[in-house]
Amino acid sequence: EAGVAQSPRYKIIEKRQSVAFWCNPISGHATLYWYQQILGQGPKLLIQFQNNGVVDDSQLPKDRFSAERLKGVDSTLKIQPAKLEDSAVYLCASSLGQALDTQYFGPGTRLTVL
Amino acid sequence: AQSVTQLDSHVSVSEGTPVLLRCNYSSSYSPSLFWYVQHPNKGLQLLLKYTSAATLVKGINGFEAEFKKSETSFHLTKPSAHMSDAAEYFCVVSDNNFNKFYFGSGTKLNVKP
Repeated sequence: EAGVAQSPRYKIIEKRQSVAFWCNPISGHATLYWYQQILGQGPKLLIQFQNNGVVDDSQLPKDRFSAERLKGVDSTLKIQPAKLEDSAVYLCASSLGQALDTQYFGPGTRLTVL
Repeated sequence: AQSVTQLDSHVSVSEGTPVLLRCNYSSSYSPSLFWYVQHPNKGLQLLLKYTSAATLVKGINGFEAEFKKSETSFHLTKPSAHMSDAAEYFCVVSDNNFNKFYFGSGTKLNVKP
C-alpha cells in the first residue's frame, strides 16, 4: 500500500515570498490533515479536511495560510507571504475518517524562510 | 480539553538496557492514546495505540505501553534498547469525536553502544 506522498521535501525561500506544498493521501482516506512542526516541538494541527470540506481550521493563520482539497483527494497548502517564523516541517497525514482511526503521516516538507 | 505532557525531553540509555518514556495525559472523557516514532528525515510512524480495550498494549519493535487511568499515564517501555531505537517519540491523545490529535512535545531517545 502506498503511503502519504508530499512534495517538495525541502524548500528555501526568502521572507515575503510565496510557497506551496502538495500532499497525496492514502487512497480511500477521507480525512486529510496538515500539521506544522517547529523545531523542538510536537506537530500542531493547522487544518483538517473531511473529503473536500473543512472540519477544523481554528489554528490556521488565515491572513497568510490557505489550503484546499479539491475533489476530496490531493491537497495543497500555501503560505503567502512567508515570515521567518514559518520555518518548520509541514506534515500531511490521512486517515479513513472514522472515530479512533490511526493517522498515517507523510515524510514532510522542510521549509526554511531566510 | 485534551493535552499531553511528555515528562522528559531527552532520555539516554545503553544498548541492551530497558527504555522508559513517560507520558501523562489530560482528557475530558475516555481517551484514545497513541505513541508515534520519528526517525531523522522520516515520517512519523505509529508504534502502538490504545482505544479502550486491553490496558497493556503491544506495539511494533518490542515496544509496549500501559494505560493507567488512575494515574492518567501512558508510559512507553521496551525491555532492551537497540541502537536502531534512537529517534524522537511522541505521545498523542485523540479527540474521539473528530479524530483530532494532540501531540506531546516529544522525547528524544539516545542509545549508547
